[in-house]
Amino acid sequence: GESVGLHLPTLSVQEGDNSIINCAYSNSASDYFIWYKQESGKGPQFIIDIRSNMDKRQGQRVTVLLNKTVKHLSLQIAATQPGDSAVYFCAENTQGGSEKLVFGKGTKLTVNP
Amino acid sequence: NAGVTQTPKFQVLKTGQSMTLQCAQDMNHNSMYWYRQDPGMGLRLIYYSASEGTTDKGEVPNGYNVSRLNKREFSLRLESAAPSQTSVYFCASRDRRYEQYFGPGTRLTVT
Repeated sequence: GESVGLHLPTLSVQEGDNSIINCAYSNSASDYFIWYKQESGKGPQFIIDIRSNMDKRQGQRVTVLLNKTVKHLSLQIAATQPGDSAVYFCAENTQGGSEKLVFGKGTKLTVNP
Repeated sequence: NAGVTQTPKFQVLKTGQSMTLQCAQDMNHNSMYWYRQDPGMGLRLIYYSASEGTTDKGEVPNGYNVSRLNKREFSLRLESAAPSQTSVYFCASRDRRYEQYFGPGTRLTVT
């Protein structure tokens, strides 16, 4: 989930397990959502996106689910690996055609070997 | 392609000093962005440029100025640095879709 304080939500999993990272987005009119991965000391990196007319999209080892009824987005990572350890952000485009994305505060995923 | 590049990687300033953070992209993107990232706060938009010659304020523009020098380059200037501007700064660019591509960041400390 998202944090409003100074401490990121954290998720700790064992290598090989599946991970689910959640995000509550703010605007029911948002039409596009992205998940980013940020490794320590690096810039955010695109993982997967989904448009509001979809409720599920799959990539390589990752799946994004969108529940517009409750304004909830989740990222599922299958067979989590140590290299998946990072902070994960969701982002939404709140206005159709807008230049701007609104980012969540992130969830820190730690994968234990 | 190098993608989005930023210089410098690290910088320490004294209060009141000025500096310019440089950003360049080689992907021929029209839109470019400057964000700051503070612990637990996520990414906050400072300024953005939808095209060469245009700039607009984001969520936290106070204390900053920007210049879109050409299509490739978008610089961020701190005229009189303050300790509250200690942060990690990211530049990003965007293609026709909404996805933004980020640079590696500049870690700035103001003492």
